[in-house]
Amino acid sequence: AQRVTQPEKLLSVFKGAPVELKCNYSYSGSPELFWYVQYSRQRLQLLLRHISRESIKGFTADLNKGETSFHLKKPFAQEEDSAMYYCALRWNTGNQFYFGTGTSLTVIP
Amino acid sequence: DVKVTQSSRYLVKRTGEKVFLECVQDMDHENMFWYRQDPGLGLRLIYFSYDVKMKEKGDIPEGYSVSREKKERFSLILESASTNQTSMYLCASSLSLTGELFFGEGSRLTVL
Repeated sequence: AQRVTQPEKLLSVFKGAPVELKCNYSYSGSPELFWYVQYSRQRLQLLLRHISRESIKGFTADLNKGETSFHLKKPFAQEEDSAMYYCALRWNTGNQFYFGTGTSLTVIP
Repeated sequence: DVKVTQSSRYLVKRTGEKVFLECVQDMDHENMFWYRQDPGLGLRLIYFSYDVKMKEKGDIPEGYSVSREKKERFSLILESASTNQTSMYLCASSLSLTGELFFGEGSRLTVL
């Protein structure tokens, strides 16, 4: 069953433009949602999680339970934002994480 | 900082060989995971373990087994490697309370 969907495999934006990486999930309980990022030649790392409700590196993400979405947004993209981004869902009844297929973001100078 | 270390960054093996991938974490995390990462498919969970000697299958356990004899170490075993197991393998660990996953740098396995 597809639990996390990231519809865009590739996304290119110009520096300074707004960026939105889409994530939709299917889960009947109360999920915990995360965004993970992998910069070139670095390990995968946590970017932000919905329960923190904080902005990291200018990125924000709001959990919309009605639309079952957790889109990642940044008003002004920077070149250093170029990376692979994964949306992830953690079951509230366990410790399993399920990841989307990822979106490769390229910020064009 | 939490450190998750995977013993081999790059491996090349032949079809039919037995392969061991080792992962060690230094922060006393209960949970450890093995994922494989493939372009266009994202991260897919192979196995996870929530305690010593405990393991549960993820989405794609076929062709793999795991071992967790000590809390800090989680091994992935390919009993008889096949070419379709050529992939990047990621180990991760987490505390149940906080849930954040910490990843290793990955082990890129090529099976010829």
